Amino acid sequence: DAKTTQPTSMDCAEGRAANLPCNHSTISGNEYVYWYRQIHSQGPQYIIHGLKNNETNEMASLIITEDRKSSTLILPHATLRDTAVYYCIVRVEGSARQLTFGSGTQLTVLP
Amino acid sequence: DAGITQSPRHKVTETGTPVTLRCHQTENHRYMYWYRQDPGHGLRLIHYSYGVKDTDKGEVSDGYSVSRSKTEDFLLTLESATSSQTSVYFCAISESTGLNTGELFFGEGSRLTVL
Repeated sequence: DAKTTQPTSMDCAEGRAANLPCNHSTISGNEYVYWYRQIHSQGPQYIIHGLKNNETNEMASLIITEDRKSSTLILPHATLRDTAVYYCIVRVEGSARQLTFGSGTQLTVLP
Repeated sequence: DAGITQSPRHKVTETGTPVTLRCHQTENHRYMYWYRQDPGHGLRLIHYSYGVKDTDKGEVSDGYSVSRSKTEDFLLTLESATSSQTSVYFCAISESTGLNTGELFFGEGSRLTVL
């Protein structure tokens, strides 16, 4: 399985865009990039996922580089409620077993 | 929010006692998972199920067993609890693991303390 590398922590000013990077240099062709977040003491929450094209939904945008070795999750207008641990996961197609969470990035949105 | 209920939400028990955690879903999703979360380790998969009576091991399955006799219920059992099993346990469900799917929905967690 491809391993992901994320910064341990990041800060962002409220109202500004939060850009969370993730490296997955060993990603293979059939692996998707998923992002989840976990607000303190709650269960993780799905944010977005993609294969190679950029994706956008009501929560965030996902930018995947052309070589697919890294990606960036963008929260366009961060709020205090976006303070959470953000997990970047690469997942083998068709395998429930391989959805593995790393340590993630602690994003703190500052007022 | 996905209809997932974990019980109990909090439990304190003693070493050597059996413990069963229950995950109940109302979404009729095929896949169910049990994760544990510990400081410094993130979320680690214990067991998962891909249908009634169909289960498989995750990365930290030792000391745990599971059962799924109905689509809606997935039970995690610690036959003889140890202090190393003190953790927060999360249940998750998903409809599919196929292309462009596999989104997991998580429960609120069950905090287990083994003294």
